[in-house]
Amino acid sequence: GAGVSQSPRYKVAKRGQDVALRCDPISGHVSLFWYQQALGQGPEFLTYFQNEAQLDKSGLPSDRFFAERPEGSVSTLKIQRTQQEDSAVYLCASSLAPIYSGGRAFFGQGTRLTVV
Amino acid sequence: QKEVEQNSGPLSVPEGAIASLNCTYSDRGSQSFFWYRQYSGKSPELIMFIYSNGDKEDGRFTAQLNKASQYVSLLIRDSQPSDSATYLCAVSSYGNNRLAFGKGNQVVVIP
Repeated sequence: GAGVSQSPRYKVAKRGQDVALRCDPISGHVSLFWYQQALGQGPEFLTYFQNEAQLDKSGLPSDRFFAERPEGSVSTLKIQRTQQEDSAVYLCASSLAPIYSGGRAFFGQGTRLTVV
Repeated sequence: QKEVEQNSGPLSVPEGAIASLNCTYSDRGSQSFFWYRQYSGKSPELIMFIYSNGDKEDGRFTAQLNKASQYVSLLIRDSQPSDSATYLCAVSSYGNNRLAFGKGNQVVVIP
């Protein structure tokens, strides 16, 4: 596609409910990132994939958060037993090459998650 | 200390003036530096990237990098109302494929 696509754009979940957020990266982009952005803050790194391999998940805040990219393209971020502090915008980004070798990350529109 | 600091409060500039934004970073191994623009309710949009010390110009934007002092800045010349947004500084270290972001600086251009 032309850009990074995320769905749904908005999600309201009851506390304790599981949610799944989808990301379609730019076609051919090897690297895929998930970020969490709280209101008034910059994006915070959650996890990173190179193709289907999850190479860094150091930013995932708890074991309730899980991400996968089984075929190296579409990725899903799953949050189990959602809590109110999980309310944020979840951003997905992709890049053709690794950032450290000149790649540039392009972001999707994000999914705004509200836990009530 | 956060990896990337953007400490200035909202910046108001008159239309046509220069807006100047600063960012400092803590990791001396940082190699790639980016400025993103984020309109309210929208996703970050890459507007500038710089890897080497010195200045890099692209249209009305100039990024300046000083690795010795560990700061990177963004100048917006001839500011327009459409430049009103939050500007995010992001940094990546050698061998590390994640971007560390500052909290952003809001710019308001007054017509």
